[in-house]
Amino acid sequence: GNSVTQMEGPVTLSEEAFLTINCTYTATGYPSLFWYVQYPGEGLQLLLKATKADDKGSNKGFEATYRKETTSFHLEKGSVQVSDSAVYFCALSGFQAGTALIFGKGTTLSVSS
Amino acid sequence: KAGVTQTPRYLIKTRGQQVTLSCSPISGHRSVSWYQQTPGQGLQFLFEYFSETQRNKGNFPGRFSGRQFSNSRSEMNVSTLELGDSALYLCASSPGTLGGNEQFFGPGTRLTVL
Repeated sequence: GNSVTQMEGPVTLSEEAFLTINCTYTATGYPSLFWYVQYPGEGLQLLLKATKADDKGSNKGFEATYRKETTSFHLEKGSVQVSDSAVYFCALSGFQAGTALIFGKGTTLSVSS
Repeated sequence: KAGVTQTPRYLIKTRGQQVTLSCSPISGHRSVSWYQQTPGQGLQFLFEYFSETQRNKGNFPGRFSGRQFSNSRSEMNVSTLELGDSALYLCASSPGTLGGNEQFFGPGTRLTVL
């Protein structure tokens, strides 16, 4: 079936460190891929997305490239800040009609100064 | 534009009762989806409505139901509550129904079943 697997957390980094959060997916057809972020005490919000193979989504210094050959959509940021501390969710849609999302379990990122 | 609103924000019920949660989408959005978030299972898709019709449904028992009104507002209902239904219920709206469309999430309703 369709699924998303992302690395278990928590991930603990120092400010200005490089971040990678791995995400792989299993899906029929050609899904769209997303990264959503949930800051403490806030709701889910879209961080970036890619709708076809080789697309790169980017926002707020975060990037992820839709790799069909490796079925991956890893999230990266060159220099994290304390304000990036949050839970990050990888998700896919398009496995069925409509906008329904399948989410990964989420990865908690904690950045210290 | 106002964001997605959900009411109530917090709810405490006892086993066997039923509950109705409400969601108002962003103005102009016609697609509304519901998700359940728990520490153990993470975020799981419940169902999606578009133009008052259920388009998709996740793997939840029939105790979970929903509907959408002509103004796109949506409600979900859980009957015969179980302890395991304690969760954060999130509503999301989208301008369209294509898989690539972004979903905009509300703050959620925290349901506690005692």
